[in-house]
Amino acid sequence: TQLLEQSPQFLSIQEGENLTVYCNSSSVFSSLQWYRQEPGEGPVLLVTVVTGGEVKKLKRLTFQFGDARKDSSLHITAAQTGDTGLYLCAGHVSGGYQKVTFGTGTKLQVIP
Amino acid sequence: SAVISQKPSRDICQRGTSLTIQCQVDSQVTMMFWYRQQPGQSLTLIATANQGSEATYESGFVIDKFPISRPNLTFSTLTVSNMSPEDSSIYLCSVGYRFYQETQYFGPGTRLLVL
Repeated sequence: TQLLEQSPQFLSIQEGENLTVYCNSSSVFSSLQWYRQEPGEGPVLLVTVVTGGEVKKLKRLTFQFGDARKDSSLHITAAQTGDTGLYLCAGHVSGGYQKVTFGTGTKLQVIP
Repeated sequence: SAVISQKPSRDICQRGTSLTIQCQVDSQVTMMFWYRQQPGQSLTLIATANQGSEATYESGFVIDKFPISRPNLTFSTLTVSNMSPEDSSIYLCSVGYRFYQETQYFGPGTRLLVL
């Protein structure tokens, strides 16, 4: 069974602060996705990383895939209240039956 | 990306009854999935809805409790049967395209409370 552990589980910060969320596994993934879910909505895809060591930026969000493709991080610079939500990483192993393993989740609250 | 709608958006049900949740997509998709989520927590895959054949269930989920239909490439239903308070949760439908296998698009979810 592939497990994706996220840390921290909860995070409450002031607007303008920086933060990093981690997603770790002992399994190797073909790709890894990050989703954000706001209350009352379904998860929305933020990014997909495919190559070991890959770094992708989405405005103030920076995503990195570990060299061994077992872990990933999400860094938010100068957090805003609109960043509040549940962040989920999801790992995918290509080939055959399509199945994605979702991480344990990080609940972020940005306080004005 | 796909636009996905779910009905109902929320419901309050009595124990012992059944509820059918509908998932409609605005385009044909290859894969459709059903998840369960406790508020603020991660997603648990219930089953993959297969068009024209029986759904593929994950460990811990059975067809008698969660019958699934998928009559075509844009529509699926999940029924929660003989409900108990433990079935209170958010039920999410998601879809995937064969070419972009790793990406899933989610519906807004159905919030179910069983009394």
